[in-house]
Amino acid sequence: DIQMTQSPSSLSASVGDRVTITCRASQSIISYLNWYQHKPGKAPKLLIYTASTLQSGVPSRFSGSGSGTDFTLTISSLQPEDFATYYCQQSYSIPYTFGRGTKLEIK
Amino acid sequence: QVQLQESDPGLVKPSQTLSLTCTVSGGSISSGGYYWTWIRQPAGKGLEWIGRIHTSGSTTYNPSLKSRVTISVDTSKNHFSLRLSSVTAADTAVYYCARGGTSGIASDFDYWGQGTLVTVSS
Repeated sequence: DIQMTQSPSSLSASVGDRVTITCRASQSIISYLNWYQHKPGKAPKLLIYTASTLQSGVPSRFSGSGSGTDFTLTISSLQPEDFATYYCQQSYSIPYTFGRGTKLEIK
Repeated sequence: QVQLQESDPGLVKPSQTLSLTCTVSGGSISSGGYYWTWIRQPAGKGLEWIGRIHTSGSTTYNPSLKSRVTISVDTSKNHFSLRLSSVTAADTAVYYCARGGTSGIASDFDYWGQGTLVTVSS
């Protein structure tokens, strides 16, 4: 199985901050990397697919980049509704695997 | 707007079979060629992909669970189901259903249910 390592596991930031979350795959996954936002008690939400394509309806302050084994999710200017847990997921090979998550908290 | 809702089995006894249903609303489960998927998250752990079923009926399972998992679809009820046999405490988790993309590979999950907590305990 492909292992996905996210960092940091938690992050404190303020409204308006620029935030970057990283995800590393244990082998090349080309650009088959997706990002999700998850709030407690809610359905996870797809933010970005194939590393850098913004899902319809997702604000443009979210962006993704990377290829091969190293990927990043950037939020350019944090909004109050962005405080949540973020997961990466590889869709290169089955079984699909996820990172352990990054919990983004208000400073 | 597609919505998914998991059933709520609550408590399951060790060695028994866990059964969950995901009801799809806002669209037909048999159209579009999607992969209907189950994912779980044990408390304090990461998300684990369990398996999927295509609208054609073909299934793919996580090898780590394959011997115990069955995913099926009932197009007349617009739902799909998960059965996990011989459960132990390690199967205690929040279970999510999700819709995977139409490509066999490169599957993201664009719609999810809210999740249901299944506890395995006597």
